[in-house]
Amino acid sequence: AQKVTQAQTEISVVEKEDVTLDCVYETRDTTYYLFWYKQPPSGELVFLIRRNSFDEQNEISGRYSWNFQKSTSSFNFTITASQVVDSAVYFCALSELSGSARQLTFGSGTQLTVLP
Amino acid sequence: EAGVTQSPTHLIKTRGQQATLRCSPISGHTSVYWYQQALGLGLQFLLWYDEGEERNRGNFPPRFSGRQFPNYSSELNVNALELEDSALYLCASSLGTSYNEQFFGPGTRLTVL
Repeated sequence: AQKVTQAQTEISVVEKEDVTLDCVYETRDTTYYLFWYKQPPSGELVFLIRRNSFDEQNEISGRYSWNFQKSTSSFNFTITASQVVDSAVYFCALSELSGSARQLTFGSGTQLTVLP
Repeated sequence: EAGVTQSPTHLIKTRGQQATLRCSPISGHTSVYWYQQALGLGLQFLLWYDEGEERNRGNFPPRFSGRQFPNYSSELNVNALELEDSALYLCASSLGTSYNEQFFGPGTRLTVL
């Protein structure tokens, strides 16, 4: 069975601070995808990144960066120089590609509050 | 390009009634997923449709059902509503079954009184 754990329920930082959101996953599959989504107060989930299990290269997109480590089953997300608009709930998710499962298994989410 | 759309935005029902939620995927997407986001329970997978067929369902009772139409839009039906069905219902679409980057709609907020 697959499982995603986001141990940080809530994080509060002051604007311009860097913040890292942790994500640990469990899966028996060797082929899988990992995702991060952002859910602002409006409720709509916004796709941020997808990473497949064969690609452990870290990725940077503007102020966002992701660190994928298969050895520790972690896919952490860092926001550099945080801004108030980054305040949202962030979800890490996993999707296995074997069998008939394509749905996303989500972590419980991390509520990030960036204070001005 | 239009994103995933859902209707209605809000829906208020009473216990025992039936609710119908609708979703239109991004043009070209053939897979539609339904998720429930209930307070305290997080995001849980409900149903997956692709090419008009139900491909997989989550751990929900049979009173949660749906279908996908030839134009790939989808409907989620919840029968015999219970108070705990109150939640945000999110629909997502993706390109077929192998490319599973899912894009979400704004959701339907269902309140059961």
